[in-house]
Amino acid sequence: GAVVSQHPSWVICKSGTSVKIECRSLDFQATTMFWYRQFPKQSLMLMATSNEGSKATYEQGVEKDKFLINHASLTLSTLTVTSAHPEDSSFYICSARGVGVNYGYTFGSGTRLTVV
Amino acid sequence: QQQVKQSPQSLIVQKGGISIINCAYENTAFDYFPWYQQFPGKGPALLIAIRPDVSEKKEGRFTISFNKSAKQFSLHIMDSQPGDSATYFCAASKAGTALIFGKGTTLSVSS
Repeated sequence: GAVVSQHPSWVICKSGTSVKIECRSLDFQATTMFWYRQFPKQSLMLMATSNEGSKATYEQGVEKDKFLINHASLTLSTLTVTSAHPEDSSFYICSARGVGVNYGYTFGSGTRLTVV
Repeated sequence: QQQVKQSPQSLIVQKGGISIINCAYENTAFDYFPWYQQFPGKGPALLIAIRPDVSEKKEGRFTISFNKSAKQFSLHIMDSQPGDSATYFCAASKAGTALIFGKGTTLSVSS
């Protein structure tokens, strides 16, 4: 089945630094990738949608200059949290969708980001 | 405006019982309705999904019932087990765009 690998699974960084999270589709080509954010005991909130080779589309209220998304290939998308602050601490989850109407959505295992 | 409304927020079921979680949606353009299971610290895992051209789909102990006219769909977990204790999310999407999630239901199955 479709597998999405997300790394790292957890990361701790200092305020003001940047953190990069990778999302890879291992056995299919992901034309579209989605990035979600989840706070404790809450639902997944969509941050942005990225299509391979195109600029990401950000949801209202998500700072595109703070959350940089790159989808340079059909198997890799990255989310970089720039100048991280404690309020950026959260669980970040990527999802990938392959080509074709019958493809579902495969989720990564998530990245726990803690900014200290 | 919340596009996918999920209830209940939490649910306690005895081992062997039936767990039922409900979702209602607003957008009639939605064409894909999955249910996900999530354990703490993990990403969501697809349980079962349905498209609006069928009213019911069953996979093992999991069944989705779909009512297009009422814009509602539900997840039934038969013979609930302690290992089913997790958070369940319904979601919806249209034409391959991003999934919109409900707020989640925390299920506890007591032994």
